[in-house]
Order: sequence, then C-alpha cells, then structure tokens
Amino acid sequence: GAVVSQHPSRVICKSGTSVKIECRSLDFQATTMFWYRQFPKQSLMLMATSNEGSKATYEQGVEKDKFLINHASLTLSTLTVTSAHPEDSSFYICSARDVQALKETQYFGPGTRLLVL
Amino acid sequence: SQQGEEDPQALSIQEGENATMNCSYKTSINNLQWYRQNSGRGLVHLILIRSNEREKHSGRLRVTLDTSKKSSSLLITASRAADTASYFCATDHTGANSKLTFGKGITLSVRP
Repeated sequence: GAVVSQHPSRVICKSGTSVKIECRSLDFQATTMFWYRQFPKQSLMLMATSNEGSKATYEQGVEKDKFLINHASLTLSTLTVTSAHPEDSSFYICSARDVQALKETQYFGPGTRLLVL
Repeated sequence: SQQGEEDPQALSIQEGENATMNCSYKTSINNLQWYRQNSGRGLVHLILIRSNEREKHSGRLRVTLDTSKKSSSLLITASRAADTASYFCATDHTGANSKLTFGKGITLSVRP
C-alpha cells in the first residue's frame, strides 16, 4: 500500500529555535498534503492544507507566519515551526492524497513528536 | 462545529467480546472513515463508508452509517488484546475539499 514517511520522528529543541519537519510520499505522487497537530489524549486538529506549487491554506486560528509550509514537489511537503515555544510541543502528523487514486483516499505518516524546552 | 463525536469516550472489554463504538456528526458528508491509533503512533486507516452506503464489512470490522441520524457505528467482533488502541471517526464533509474532520476518539482497552 501507499506509504508516507515523516522525518524526524521526534525532535527536542530549545525555545526560540526553528524546527523543520518533512513529509514524503514514498511510492505515489501527492498534489495535496495535510498537516495535523495532536495534543496528548486529544484528537487530530487540521492545521493546513499543503498544495504542490501554490500557497498552503491554513485553518482558522493557525498562524501562517509561525507554521511555514512548503510543498515544493509532488512527493515532499515541509512544515517549519518558527521560533518554537513550549506550547508548540505536540505530535505533528501529515497525510497525503494520491493524485491517481480516489480523491477520498488519504495516507497518514507516522507522526513527529516535538518537544520544546 | 462540524467535528464528529464518538461515544463512549472509553471502553474496556474482555478478549473475545465485541466492541461497539459510535460516532455522530453535524453536517452532510461525502464519506466517513474510521482510524486506529496505537499510543504515540500514527494513524491506521480501517474502513471508509460512503454517504450512499449503509453497511460495510472488513474482516472483523463492521461499519454502519445512518445519514438520517448523522451517525455511524464501528463494531469489532471477537476482540483481541492487540485491538487495544484509540479509535477515531473522521468525516469528509460535502464542500470541504476532501479535508477530514476528526472526532475526539475512543480509547478501547481489551483485557486478555
């Protein structure tokens, strides 16, 4: 089946630094990728929709200047958490939609756990 | 909010028993999906049911959808300890451009 990878799987950083998370579709092309955030024992909240070759669409309440998204190719989207603070500590999960499959099919990555000290 | 709501929030059963989890939503959907998440891990897609379908089966899983009541149920038959996980329903709402809205999740514990 389709595989989505994320790197790194976990990262610890100091407050004020920036962290980049990569999301890759390994065996299919994805024109659209989605970025979610999940706090402990809570649900996934959609942060933004990443579109290849165009600007990301952010959900209400998500700061686009803080969470920079770049979808430079059909297999890679990156999320950069700029000037990270402890409240940004969370589990970040991406998903990708296979451009050749049914529109409704999304494949999820294994997630990236971010801890900001 | 369009967010789906599952119930119960937590369910503890004995191995071999059936587990039934429910999900309700508020606006019309294209499809509804169920996912499993083991602690600290990513999501595993279990099953998708479209708005024009009423029931689907996949192995030990049975999903029903009642669009008139805006609700769905996930039944896991003959549960195993390995089924212990959090389960989420996610709705693809009409006009939402394939964005998924996740429910709060149900924590299932299956005792060996």
